[in-house]
Amino acid sequence: AQKVTQAQTEISVVEKEDVTLDCVYETRDTTYYLFWYKQPPSGELVFLIRRNSFDEQNEISGRYSWNFQKSTSSFNFTITASQVVDSAVYFCALSGGYNAGNMLTFGGGTRLMVKP
Amino acid sequence: DTGVSQNPRHKITKRGQNVTFRCDPISEHNRLYWYRQTLGQGPEFLTYFQNEAQLEKSRLLSDRFSAERPKGSFSTLEIQRTEQGDSAMYLCAHGRSGNTIYFGEGSWLTVV
Repeated sequence: AQKVTQAQTEISVVEKEDVTLDCVYETRDTTYYLFWYKQPPSGELVFLIRRNSFDEQNEISGRYSWNFQKSTSSFNFTITASQVVDSAVYFCALSGGYNAGNMLTFGGGTRLMVKP
Repeated sequence: DTGVSQNPRHKITKRGQNVTFRCDPISEHNRLYWYRQTLGQGPEFLTYFQNEAQLEKSRLLSDRFSAERPKGSFSTLEIQRTEQGDSAMYLCAHGRSGNTIYFGEGSWLTVV
């Protein structure tokens, strides 16, 4: 069975602070994909990144960066110089390999509040 | 634009009534998914289609729930004899095999 744990249920920061959202996963698959989605108050789930299990390189996209460490089964997400518009619930998710239907198992989410 | 349109966006219904949600993916990705999200929780998988074939159903999908995807394009999710516990947001998503899954804006259901 697959499991995703986001231990931080809520984080509050002041604008321009850096913040890291933690994600720990469990899977028996040797091939799998990890995702981060953002859910603003409007409710839509917005795709941020997909990472496959073979690629442990860290990725940076603007103010966003992701740290994938297979040894600790973690896929953490850092926002640098946070802004009020970053306020949302962020979900980490896991899916199996090609033949697993790409069904996503989500963590419980981390609510990020960025105060001006 | 995620390429997924869901209708209705909001539905309030009385307990015991039937409701149907529709999902229209703009592009014809071969995989279509339904998820359910209750307040304060992450989305939970319900079912998925590859083209018109329903390949997987979660234990969450009780006998009162049925999903279809005729002709492999749009999909419907029907809930019969609604219960208060069915109140949630129902999310449709699409994707190609091995690729990212994109979600629609969701359909909120409130059962009173």
